[in-house]
Amino acid sequence: AQTVTQSQPEMSVQEAETVTLSCTYDTSESDYYLFWYKQPPSRQMILVIRQEAYKQQNATENRFSVNFQKAAKSFSLKISDSQLGDAAMYFCAYFLGGATNKLIFGTGTLLAVQP
Amino acid sequence: EPEVTQTPSHQVTQMGQEVILRCVPISNHLYFYWYRQILGQKVEFLVSFYNNEISEKSEIFDDQFSVERPDGSNFTLKIRSTKLEDSAMYFCASRGAYGYGYTFGSGTRLTVV
Repeated sequence: AQTVTQSQPEMSVQEAETVTLSCTYDTSESDYYLFWYKQPPSRQMILVIRQEAYKQQNATENRFSVNFQKAAKSFSLKISDSQLGDAAMYFCAYFLGGATNKLIFGTGTLLAVQP
Repeated sequence: EPEVTQTPSHQVTQMGQEVILRCVPISNHLYFYWYRQILGQKVEFLVSFYNNEISEKSEIFDDQFSVERPDGSNFTLKIRSTKLEDSAMYFCASRGAYGYGYTFGSGTRLTVV
């Protein structure tokens, strides 16, 4: 069965600094998708970034980038130039694809941004 | 940008009452989901819906739960007789082909008293 592990329950970063959130997953599949979702205090789930496993190039969205290591089954999120609005819970999620498959979430990392 | 819309944003109900949570998925999406998040815990899959039928459901999704797509635009989750432990945030999601556009609604906070 697929599992997603986020080993950092909480992280803290100074405003304007860079922080990396870790995620590892377990799967025997070769083709899948990985996501990072942001959940602010409003509890809305906001897609931050997506990576297709068949792509070797790491995904980037403005200040957010990933380090995707397929062999190591690692998918970390780097936030550059951290802003106060980045403070939130961040969830890593795995998606196998296909007609019916669901997202499998990690337990989340609570990120605090210090002014 | 297309959105998944959920109503109501917050619902308080008495134990034993029926509740219906409503969702309007993105119009050209074909796959629909309900997830649940108990406060302080991770997001858990409840059910997926495709081609007008349930395609997968979790252990949580017992006989008290049902889903429906009554009119081609709405997607509802019904809890027949609510329990205290059903108190949670319920998220609707929809997606297009492959992993693209996997979008969540803003959630319904259900409080059972």
